[in-house]
Amino acid sequence: EVKLVESGGGLVQPGRSLKLSCAASGFSFDDYWMGWVRQAPGKGLEWIGEINPDSSTRKYDPSLKEKFTISRDNAQNTLYLQMSKLESEDTAIYYCAREDYGLDYWGQGVMVTVSS
Amino acid sequence: DNVLPQSPTTMAASPGEKVTITCHARSSGVYMNWHQQKSGSSPKLWIYDTSKLASGVPDRFSGSGSGTSYSLTINSMETEDAATYYCQQCCSTPPITFGSGTKLEIK
Repeated sequence: EVKLVESGGGLVQPGRSLKLSCAASGFSFDDYWMGWVRQAPGKGLEWIGEINPDSSTRKYDPSLKEKFTISRDNAQNTLYLQMSKLESEDTAIYYCAREDYGLDYWGQGVMVTVSS
Repeated sequence: DNVLPQSPTTMAASPGEKVTITCHARSSGVYMNWHQQKSGSSPKLWIYDTSKLASGVPDRFSGSGSGTSYSLTINSMETEDAATYYCQQCCSTPPITFGSGTKLEIK
C-alpha cells in the first residue's frame, strides 16, 4: 500500500523558515518523481514543485518566487520542502504527492500557520 | 494565473441526476486527471489520462475530452459523490496545473 506521511508543520512567525518532511512507503521511492501541493484555508489546490528520482531536476511554479526548495533522501525514502521568508499568505495545508503523469497518491497533509 | 477554468464553480444535484463538470486546458495534447476531495480530507486521484477510472471509482463516473476541453460526468448522482472535484493538467509548462474546482452538493 502506498503511504505518504507529512510532518513538521505548525505555527511559525512571519519571516521565519520551516522544513517539512514526507515519509514514503509501499513503493520504490527512488523510481518516482515527487511533488508538493498546498491548499490555503477554503481555497483550491496550488502546485508548488517537483523533483525527479535522482534529484538532478527540480521544477517550481514560477509564481512562488523562489520561496521553496524541494529535496529528497532516497536512502530514507523521504521528501522535503524547505520554506523560507514565510508570510501569512503561506498559511495552508501542505501535501506531498507521488507523480506519475500527474499526481496519483497524496499524503494526508500537514498544516502550516504563519502568524505572529 | 496558473489555474484552469472549471465550470460550474458550485452546483447541487438530486440523487439519480446526471452531472457534468467541464475544464479548459491551456493547450491541446495534455494529460488530464481529475481529483476528488471531500471536506477535511486530502484529494484522491479519481480519473486519469482523460478517461481512465482510478482504482475503486464507481463506473457511474466517466471522463472525456480532447483538445482543450475536458469533462467529468456522473451518470447518476449518489449522496457519496458530494465533494469538490479538481481537474489537473500534466506535462506542459508549468508541469502541473490545477483547475479552479467544482463543489458538488446533493439536493
